Amino acid sequence: SQQGEEDPQALSIQEGENATMNCSYKTSINNLQWYRQNSGRGLVHLILIRSNEREKHSGRLRVTLDTSKKSSSLLITASRAADTASYFCATDPTGANSKLTFGKGITLSVRP
Amino acid sequence: ETGVTQSPTHLIKTRGQQVTLRCSSQSGHNTVSWYQQALGQGPQFIFQYYREEENGRGNFPPRFSGLQFPNYSSELNVNALELDDSALYLCASSLAVTKKETQYFGPGTRLLVL
Repeated sequence: SQQGEEDPQALSIQEGENATMNCSYKTSINNLQWYRQNSGRGLVHLILIRSNEREKHSGRLRVTLDTSKKSSSLLITASRAADTASYFCATDPTGANSKLTFGKGITLSVRP
Repeated sequence: ETGVTQSPTHLIKTRGQQVTLRCSSQSGHNTVSWYQQALGQGPQFIFQYYREEENGRGNFPPRFSGLQFPNYSSELNVNALELDDSALYLCASSLAVTKKETQYFGPGTRLLVL
């Protein structure tokens, strides 16, 4: 089953604009991670935020986490055509195993 | 980029056959996880291996099995292939199962079952 639900399912923006993607999840987590996937290939890890953190930055990426609402957002500032990809949030649920539970993903298209 | 490699990149099999997919983890990573990603979906956790022992399994039948070797390589075996097994299979390695570390994904093997 997929715990993470990303919103919107698809997003199309102009180069230079900001892109905001949201993720909601259902159970308690150790951390939440965002990944990018180009053309159905391997996943590239973007950023990890732990359950006791509220905001984290990495370059043009800003991620927030609200554990009370069980939601996270990923902001990509000053988007580029190269940011065109699918983006997934993945949660590391509390429990015995270190598996990741992924959502269905968001397709981001950045128009040059 | 991630130091994780998978082989083959593409594979075509027929229903009922068996397949073995291979993964080479980053050096020093003692944990490997396998995921199945159907078209248009997010990856689904199959199982994880830690120090050559299975350390958790997702909702997949026993015909999905795995092995992990001391040289940081691992295998995913699928018996009695079904059409719905067609997917991208991803392996991901991480440093330690207890540290909830970032997982590093390979490029995947795309399996088509006819």
